[in-house]
Amino acid sequence: DVQLVESGGDLVQPGGSLRLSCAASGFIFSSYEMNWVRQAPGRGLEWLSHISTSGSAVNYADSVRDRFTISRDNAKKSAYLQMNSLRAEDTAMYYCATTKDGPFGMWGQGTMVTVSS
Amino acid sequence: EIVLTQSPVTLSLSPGERATLSCWASQSISYYLAWYQQKPGQAPRLLVYDASNRATGIPARFSGSGSGTDFTLTISSLEPEDFAVYYCQQRSKWPLTFGGGTKVEI
Repeated sequence: DVQLVESGGDLVQPGGSLRLSCAASGFIFSSYEMNWVRQAPGRGLEWLSHISTSGSAVNYADSVRDRFTISRDNAKKSAYLQMNSLRAEDTAMYYCATTKDGPFGMWGQGTMVTVSS
Repeated sequence: EIVLTQSPVTLSLSPGERATLSCWASQSISYYLAWYQQKPGQAPRLLVYDASNRATGIPARFSGSGSGTDFTLTISSLEPEDFAVYYCQQRSKWPLTFGGGTKVEI
């Protein structure tokens, strides 16, 4: 199947860290850019980060710059989001999305991150 | 950053009616605008990209138009499955941004 599957979401205490993974299957992962997007409960979509096909270029939203790090491993067909210094306001569903079939043309099903003591 | 403003926030219509959703950008984004549909408990789905190009598998009743700062998504005749939240998004400049969404309800 052609799909993206996120994992790694969990309940974490404020100030903690978490690493999200996004595993791709059914297409040439290395040919497409990757993004992470989140959605707080009952709220809209917020773009977080982008990584180029080779991983040489990255971009971040101001809200997560210096706390989150995006990376990818084309051999493992996976992208990652390392999240440090987590805050309550980081509580959200986290989606990965790729540029296959158009900008943000394919999305995963999401993984939930809850930041709470 | 580029702010996208969607209007209206909520659109109350009936099946068969025409829906017109608007998205305004705080500065020119050329044609680099996309529209997404999201239903409860689901990931967003790309409908239209680069202002007017329908994504793969999207029905012809969905159409996008506009350039610069003013954009429109039109659903020509609402089907029951079209009742959802719609977001616009720009990819003209970093950081990428989404609009706040328009909920199309019965």
